[in-house]
Amino acid sequence: DTAVSQTPKYLVTQMGNDKSIKCEQNLGHDTMYWYKQDSKKFLKIMFSYNNKELIINETVPNRFSPKSPDKAHLNLHINSLELGDSAVYFCASSQDWDSSYEQYFGPGTRLTVT
Amino acid sequence: QKEVEQDPGPLSVPEGAIVSLNCTYSNSAFQYFMWYRQYSRKGPELLMYTYSSGNKEDGRFTAQVDKSSKYISLFIRDSQPSDSATYLCAMSVGNQFYFGTGTSLTVIP
Repeated sequence: DTAVSQTPKYLVTQMGNDKSIKCEQNLGHDTMYWYKQDSKKFLKIMFSYNNKELIINETVPNRFSPKSPDKAHLNLHINSLELGDSAVYFCASSQDWDSSYEQYFGPGTRLTVT
Repeated sequence: QKEVEQDPGPLSVPEGAIVSLNCTYSNSAFQYFMWYRQYSRKGPELLMYTYSSGNKEDGRFTAQVDKSSKYISLFIRDSQPSDSATYLCAMSVGNQFYFGTGTSLTVIP
C-alpha cells in the first residue's frame, strides 16, 4: 500500500495552461504539505494544512493554490503556468503539526513547462 | 546568508568506509534537526531526527547536533552500495522548515 500517493507522476504542459496535482495519504495523518524541488535539488516548502486548515503559506506566486477537501487529500492547482514552474513537486504528511519533524513524502510529480 | 548550508558533493567512497555528512545553519532558534535520504527520482525518506543538541544512533547511522557551533552531522558506518543516494539535512522551528541542498553519495562496491 502506498502511504502518500501523487497523480500524475509526470506532467508536461505548455506555458499559460492551468494544471492540478493531486495528493492522497492513507496514514490517517492530520497534517499535509507541498514542496517544490528545483533542478539543483533544493527543496522548499510551499504550503501546509493541518486538519484542512492552512497553516503555512510561503511566499509563492498566487497562481499556486492549494485545496484540501478532507484530511486525506491536498491538491495543488497552478494557473497560467510559466517556464520557471518546471520542477518536481512533492506532497508530504505528518501525524499532526507537533510531529512535523517526521514527514512522509510522496513519489513526486515532475512538471515540465514548455 | 542561506538558512542552511550543505556541501553538495558529490562524495564517492569505497564500500565499508565511514561517511561523514555535514550541514551548518544560521538560525539559532532551530529545534528539530532531521536527515532525509533521497534515492534518484524518489521522494525523500526520513532517516533520523534529533531534538535540540546531542547524539542519536540508529544502527549504522549516527546523528550529531552541536548547537554552539550551529553544525550537524550524519555518520554512516560500514557504508553499503545501497546507501548511494542524496542526503538532505533539514531543520525546523515552529512553522519554519528549511532543507539543505543535499549531498550526493556514491558507495563503490
